[in-house]
Amino acid sequence: GAVVSQHPSWVICKSGTSVKIECRSLDFQATTMFWYRQFPKQSLMLMATSNEGSKATYEQGVEKDKFLINHASLTLSTLTVTSAHPEDSSFYICSANLDSLYGSNQPQHFGDGTRLSIL
Amino acid sequence: AQKVTQAQTEISVVEKEDVTLDCVYETRDTTYYLFWYKQPPSGELVFLIRRNSFDEQNEISGRYSWNFQKSTSSFNFTITASQVVDSAVYFCALSERTGNQFYFGTGTSLTVIP
Repeated sequence: GAVVSQHPSWVICKSGTSVKIECRSLDFQATTMFWYRQFPKQSLMLMATSNEGSKATYEQGVEKDKFLINHASLTLSTLTVTSAHPEDSSFYICSANLDSLYGSNQPQHFGDGTRLSIL
Repeated sequence: AQKVTQAQTEISVVEKEDVTLDCVYETRDTTYYLFWYKQPPSGELVFLIRRNSFDEQNEISGRYSWNFQKSTSSFNFTITASQVVDSAVYFCALSERTGNQFYFGTGTSLTVIP
C-alpha cells in the first residue's frame, strides 16, 4: 500500500485561485519531505525541501512567495500555489524519507502526484 | 551540469524484443545511490531498483536486469522479452550521501508495439 499519500490527485481551477496540495506520510514520521514539479514530457525537478518545524529550502528559480510550503507536523507537508496562473499548470509530486538522518540510504517514497490545471 | 543523463529520449520496440535503457551519472561523492523508476501514463512513480555505490553486482529481477559499472559511471536497465505493459517513461535517478534530494534524468519514453 501507499506510504505517502498526496491529495488531491487532480485540480482544475480558475486563474488567480490559490491551491493547496497535501502530502502525508503514512505510518512513519518524515522530518524532511520534498516537492517536485514535472512539466509535460519533462523530468521531475526539485522545487523545495520541506523541513518540519523550520523554513523550507527552495531551489534556485523557485519563488518562495509563490509556492508556500508548510511542514507543521512530522507527517504532513503542504504546498500552496498562490494566485495560480496557467503557466503553473503542471504535475506536482511529493516524497518523503523514512529517516532523513540516514540520508538517502533509506528508501524515498513518492506520492502519486497532483495534476494541476489552471484555466 | 546534468548529474544524470539519459541520452535516449524515446525508444520503440516490437513486443518480445529486448531493450536497454541507458543511464550515465556524475557525482564526486564516494557514497551514492542509483535508482530506476517507471512512470506509466497515470503519472505515479513506480520504484524498480535501488543500488548503492559499493555494490557493483548486476541484478536480475524477472525480465528486468541492471548493469552497474562505476568505471563508466553507468547504470543501464535492460528489459528482456518486452511486453506492451512495459510502455512507460523510465527515469534513472541519483542520490548523493550529502543531502537527500534526488537528481532525475530526463527520462526515456519506451513504447512497446504489439
